[in-house]
Amino acid sequence: DQQVKQNSPSLSVQEGRISILNCDYTNSMFDYFLWYKKYPAEGPTFLISISSIKDKNEDGRFTVFLNKSAKHLSLHIVPSQPGDSAVYFCAASVGGSQGNLIFGKGTKLSVKP
Amino acid sequence: GAGVSQSPSNKVTEKGKDVELRCDPISGHTALYWYRQSLGQGLEFLIYFQGNSAPDKSGLPSDRFSAERTGGSVSTLTIQRTQQEDSAVYLCASSLGPPGGAYNEQFFGPGTRLTVL
Repeated sequence: DQQVKQNSPSLSVQEGRISILNCDYTNSMFDYFLWYKKYPAEGPTFLISISSIKDKNEDGRFTVFLNKSAKHLSLHIVPSQPGDSAVYFCAASVGGSQGNLIFGKGTKLSVKP
Repeated sequence: GAGVSQSPSNKVTEKGKDVELRCDPISGHTALYWYRQSLGQGLEFLIYFQGNSAPDKSGLPSDRFSAERTGGSVSTLTIQRTQQEDSAVYLCASSLGPPGGAYNEQFFGPGTRLTVL
C-alpha cells in the first residue's frame, strides 16, 4: 500500500514553460514533505521542503504547494530549464522520532530546448 | 570529499552469497539512513541510526538484512544469502540532526548497484 504516490511516471515540458509535478499521500499523520531531484548514477539531492503548517514554500524557480485537505502537494518549476531534466521524488515524514522518509516512485522530467 | 560516499559503486554476486555495502556519512552528521531502490520503484526505507540510540530497523525486509554503525560514523549494510530480488540500488544518506526539525535534509550518497545473479 503506497502512502506516497506520484501517478505520472514522466513529464515533458518545453524550456521556459512551467513544470508541475504532482504528489498525493494517504497518511494524514505526515507533517513534513520534501522534494528530491535525482540525476542518473547519482544519489538524490534535496530540493525543497514544506511543513504541514504552511501551504506554500518558494525558493527561486521552485515552489511547493500543499493542500492538506486533498492530501496533495505539487512542485512548480518556472521557468523550466534543460538542466532541470531529472527524476523528481516526493517524500513525506512524520515529525519527531520518526526517522524514515516515505518516497514516491518518482516522475521523470524532460525539459526540451 | 565533503559528501556521503559509498562503496563499492557496483557489486555483482551469485545467489546465496553474502555481501557487505559500506557508507561513509558526512562528518558530524548524527543520523544515517539506508534505502534501496528496486527497478521502477521509489526509494524504500531500510534502517535508520540516530546517535547512540537503538536503530530503527522497521524497514528491513527480512532477517537476512542487517546493518551496523561503528563509532557513530561508518555504516555497513550486510545481506546474507542474497536472492535475486535483492538486486537494487542501495542508497545511504546522512543528516546533521534528528529528523522532524530544521535538519531534516538528508544528503544521499551515489548508491551501490547490487546485482544478484
